[in-house]
Amino acid sequence: DQQVKQNSPSLSVQEGRISILNCDYTNSMFDYFLWYKKYPAEGPTFLISISSIKDKNEDGRFTVFLNKSAKHLSLHIVPSQPGDSAVYFCAASADNNNDMRFGAGTRLTVKP
Amino acid sequence: DTGVSQNPRHKITKRGQNVTFRCDPISEHNRLYWYRQTLGQGPEFLTYFQNEAQLEKSRLLSDRFSAERPKGSFSTLEIQRTEQGDSAMYLCASSRTSGWSTDTQYFGPGTRLTVL
Repeated sequence: DQQVKQNSPSLSVQEGRISILNCDYTNSMFDYFLWYKKYPAEGPTFLISISSIKDKNEDGRFTVFLNKSAKHLSLHIVPSQPGDSAVYFCAASADNNNDMRFGAGTRLTVKP
Repeated sequence: DTGVSQNPRHKITKRGQNVTFRCDPISEHNRLYWYRQTLGQGPEFLTYFQNEAQLEKSRLLSDRFSAERPKGSFSTLEIQRTEQGDSAMYLCASSRTSGWSTDTQYFGPGTRLTVL
Protein backbone atom coordinates (compact mmCIF):
# COMPACT_ATOMS: atom_id res chain seq x y z
CA ASP A 1 0.00 0.00 0.00
CA GLN A 2 1.61 3.18 -1.25
CA GLN A 3 0.51 5.69 1.36
CA VAL A 4 3.09 8.26 0.36
CA LYS A 5 3.56 9.05 -3.31
CA GLN A 6 6.11 11.06 -5.19
CA ASN A 7 4.83 11.04 -8.73
CA SER A 8 7.82 12.70 -10.36
CA PRO A 9 10.79 10.33 -10.49
CA SER A 10 13.09 13.10 -11.67
CA LEU A 11 13.37 16.86 -11.89
CA SER A 12 15.96 19.02 -13.63
CA VAL A 13 16.45 22.66 -12.69
CA GLN A 14 18.90 25.38 -13.61
CA GLU A 15 21.22 26.66 -10.91
CA GLY A 16 19.76 29.69 -9.13
CA ARG A 17 16.17 28.78 -9.98
CA ILE A 18 13.55 27.32 -7.67
CA SER A 19 13.18 23.55 -7.27
CA ILE A 20 9.74 22.32 -6.27
CA LEU A 21 9.37 18.70 -5.21
CA ASN A 22 5.91 17.34 -4.58
CA CYS A 23 4.50 14.62 -2.38
CA ASP A 24 0.99 13.27 -1.85
CA TYR A 25 -0.28 11.05 0.92
CA THR A 26 -3.44 9.07 1.52
CA ASN A 27 -3.45 8.34 5.24
CA SER A 28 -5.25 11.10 7.12
CA MET A 29 -3.68 9.87 10.37
CA PHE A 30 -0.26 11.12 9.32
CA ASP A 31 0.68 14.07 11.50
CA TYR A 32 4.38 14.52 10.92
CA PHE A 33 6.10 14.92 7.59
CA LEU A 34 9.75 14.94 6.68
CA TRP A 35 12.03 15.38 3.71
CA TYR A 36 15.25 13.44 3.42
CA LYS A 37 18.04 13.88 0.91
CA LYS A 38 20.10 10.94 -0.27
CA TYR A 39 23.42 10.93 -2.07
CA PRO A 40 24.74 7.75 -3.72
CA ALA A 41 26.31 5.26 -1.31
CA GLU A 42 25.00 7.15 1.72
CA GLY A 43 21.97 6.79 3.93
CA PRO A 44 19.16 9.35 3.78
CA THR A 45 19.99 12.63 5.50
CA PHE A 46 17.29 14.57 7.31
CA LEU A 47 16.53 17.89 5.65
CA ILE A 48 13.40 19.47 7.07
CA SER A 49 10.16 18.49 8.74
CA ILE A 50 6.71 19.86 9.43
CA SER A 51 4.03 19.00 11.93
CA SER A 52 0.40 18.83 10.86
CA ILE A 53 -0.40 21.82 13.07
CA LYS A 54 1.58 24.02 10.70
CA ASP A 55 1.29 24.75 7.01
CA LYS A 56 4.78 26.06 6.41
CA ASN A 57 8.25 25.54 7.80
CA GLU A 58 11.33 27.30 6.55
CA ASP A 59 15.02 26.59 7.08
CA GLY A 60 17.40 28.65 5.01
CA ARG A 61 16.94 27.85 1.35
CA PHE A 62 14.47 25.06 2.13
CA THR A 63 10.76 25.53 2.76
CA VAL A 64 8.17 22.83 3.21
CA PHE A 65 4.49 23.56 2.61
CA LEU A 66 1.69 21.35 3.89
CA ASN A 67 -1.85 21.36 2.51
CA LYS A 68 -3.78 19.01 4.78
CA SER A 69 -7.07 19.27 2.93
CA ALA A 70 -5.35 18.18 -0.28
CA LYS A 71 -3.06 15.73 1.54
CA HIS A 72 -0.18 17.31 -0.28
CA LEU A 73 3.19 18.68 0.69
CA SER A 74 5.96 20.26 -1.27
CA LEU A 75 9.59 21.15 -0.77
CA HIS A 76 10.88 24.39 -2.26
CA ILE A 77 14.60 24.98 -2.68
CA VAL A 78 15.54 28.56 -3.49
CA PRO A 79 18.01 29.21 -4.98
CA SER A 80 18.94 25.76 -6.21
CA GLN A 81 22.61 24.84 -6.20
CA PRO A 82 24.48 22.03 -7.99
CA GLY A 83 25.24 20.48 -4.59
CA ASP A 84 21.51 19.99 -4.09
CA SER A 85 21.56 17.30 -6.77
CA ALA A 86 20.41 14.15 -4.97
CA VAL A 87 17.40 11.92 -4.49
CA TYR A 88 14.78 13.51 -2.24
CA PHE A 89 12.42 11.35 -0.22
CA CYS A 90 9.21 12.49 1.34
CA ALA A 91 8.23 10.63 4.51
CA ALA A 92 5.23 10.67 6.81
CA SER A 93 4.38 9.19 10.16
CA ALA A 94 1.53 9.01 12.63
CA ASP A 95 1.45 8.43 16.35
CA ASN A 96 4.81 9.54 17.58
CA ASN A 97 7.02 8.87 14.59
CA ASN A 98 6.84 5.08 14.50
CA ASP A 99 6.56 3.20 11.24
CA MET A 100 7.57 6.07 8.97
CA ARG A 101 6.37 5.68 5.38
CA PHE A 102 8.49 6.90 2.50
CA GLY A 103 7.74 7.90 -1.04
CA ALA A 104 9.74 6.41 -3.90
CA GLY A 105 11.90 9.51 -4.22
CA THR A 106 12.53 12.24 -6.78
CA ARG A 107 15.95 12.62 -8.34
CA LEU A 108 16.81 16.32 -8.51
CA THR A 109 19.50 17.49 -10.90
CA VAL A 110 20.63 21.09 -10.64
CA LYS A 111 22.54 22.14 -13.71
CA PRO A 112 25.25 24.80 -13.49
CA ASP B 1 31.87 11.22 13.99
CA THR B 2 29.00 10.22 16.28
CA GLY B 3 26.43 9.34 13.64
CA VAL B 4 24.75 6.01 13.01
CA SER B 5 27.18 3.37 11.77
CA GLN B 6 26.46 0.10 10.03
CA ASN B 7 28.64 -2.90 9.29
CA PRO B 8 29.39 -4.36 6.90
CA ARG B 9 28.75 -1.82 4.15
CA HIS B 10 28.47 -4.53 1.53
CA LYS B 11 27.67 -8.24 1.77
CA ILE B 12 27.56 -10.77 -1.03
CA THR B 13 26.24 -14.18 -0.16
CA LYS B 14 24.91 -17.30 -1.81
CA ARG B 15 21.28 -18.21 -1.65
CA GLY B 16 20.50 -20.24 1.45
CA GLN B 17 23.24 -18.76 3.60
CA ASN B 18 22.63 -16.78 6.78
CA VAL B 19 23.80 -13.18 7.11
CA THR B 20 23.97 -10.79 10.04
CA PHE B 21 24.22 -7.01 9.95
CA ARG B 22 25.13 -4.68 12.79
CA CYS B 23 23.94 -1.16 13.56
CA ASP B 24 25.41 1.21 16.13
CA PRO B 25 23.02 4.09 16.79
CA ILE B 26 23.77 7.59 18.00
CA SER B 27 24.71 7.07 21.63
CA GLU B 28 21.94 9.00 23.36
CA HIS B 29 19.19 7.65 21.08
CA ASN B 30 16.87 5.14 22.67
CA ARG B 31 14.98 4.16 19.52
CA LEU B 32 16.47 2.12 16.72
CA TYR B 33 14.79 1.28 13.41
CA TRP B 34 15.51 -1.08 10.55
CA TYR B 35 14.41 -0.38 6.98
CA ARG B 36 14.88 -2.10 3.67
CA GLN B 37 15.27 -0.21 0.40
CA THR B 38 15.13 -1.72 -3.05
CA LEU B 39 16.06 -0.03 -6.30
CA GLY B 40 13.73 2.79 -7.26
CA GLN B 41 11.83 2.69 -3.99
CA GLY B 42 11.95 4.54 -0.74
CA PRO B 43 12.94 2.83 2.50
CA GLU B 44 10.36 0.37 3.85
CA PHE B 45 9.93 0.01 7.59
CA LEU B 46 10.85 -3.41 9.01
CA THR B 47 10.98 -3.07 12.78
CA TYR B 48 11.93 -0.81 15.64
CA PHE B 49 13.21 -1.00 19.19
CA GLN B 50 12.77 1.25 22.14
CA ASN B 51 15.78 0.49 24.29
CA GLU B 52 16.01 -3.32 24.21
CA ALA B 53 12.32 -3.94 23.55
CA GLN B 54 11.19 -4.71 20.01
CA LEU B 55 7.91 -2.80 19.85
CA GLU B 56 6.74 -3.20 16.29
CA LYS B 57 7.38 -5.46 13.32
CA SER B 58 6.20 -4.99 9.77
CA ARG B 59 4.51 -7.81 7.95
CA LEU B 60 7.43 -7.48 5.54
CA LEU B 61 9.56 -9.07 8.24
CA SER B 62 9.19 -12.77 7.47
CA ASP B 63 10.10 -15.55 9.89
CA ARG B 64 13.55 -15.71 8.32
CA PHE B 65 14.32 -12.24 9.65
CA SER B 66 15.18 -11.60 13.27
CA ALA B 67 16.43 -8.49 14.97
CA GLU B 68 17.87 -8.00 18.42
CA ARG B 69 19.04 -5.15 20.56
CA PRO B 70 20.20 -7.01 23.66
CA LYS B 71 21.54 -4.15 25.76
CA GLY B 72 19.61 -1.30 24.26
CA SER B 73 22.65 -0.08 22.38
CA PHE B 74 23.72 -1.74 19.11
CA SER B 75 21.36 -3.94 17.12
CA THR B 76 21.76 -6.89 14.80
CA LEU B 77 19.54 -7.97 11.93
CA GLU B 78 19.87 -11.59 10.87
CA ILE B 79 18.45 -13.11 7.71
CA GLN B 80 18.35 -16.88 7.61
CA ARG B 81 18.26 -18.97 4.43
CA THR B 82 18.69 -15.92 2.23
CA GLU B 83 16.74 -15.66 -1.02
CA GLN B 84 17.51 -13.59 -4.09
CA GLY B 85 14.56 -11.38 -3.23
CA ASP B 86 16.35 -10.35 -0.05
CA SER B 87 18.87 -8.39 -2.11
CA ALA B 88 18.45 -4.78 -1.02
CA MET B 89 19.96 -1.98 0.99
CA TYR B 90 19.31 -2.45 4.70
CA LEU B 91 19.17 0.84 6.53
CA CYS B 92 19.32 1.50 10.24
CA ALA B 93 18.10 4.70 11.86
CA SER B 94 17.96 5.99 15.40
CA SER B 95 16.04 8.64 17.27
CA ARG B 96 15.44 9.88 20.76
CA THR B 97 12.07 9.85 22.42
CA SER B 98 11.01 11.46 25.65
CA GLY B 99 7.44 11.47 26.81
CA TRP B 100 5.15 11.87 23.84
CA SER B 101 7.55 13.46 21.42
CA THR B 102 10.13 11.73 19.28
CA ASP B 103 13.07 13.28 17.54
CA THR B 104 13.76 12.90 13.88
CA GLN B 105 15.20 9.60 12.71
CA TYR B 106 18.84 9.73 11.61
CA PHE B 107 20.05 7.12 9.18
CA GLY B 108 23.23 5.15 8.82
CA PRO B 109 24.92 4.53 5.46
CA GLY B 110 23.26 1.16 5.02
CA THR B 111 24.40 -2.38 4.27
CA ARG B 112 23.96 -3.46 0.68
CA LEU B 113 23.11 -7.16 0.48
CA THR B 114 23.47 -9.11 -2.74
CA VAL B 115 22.20 -12.68 -2.77
CA LEU B 116 23.53 -14.73 -5.68
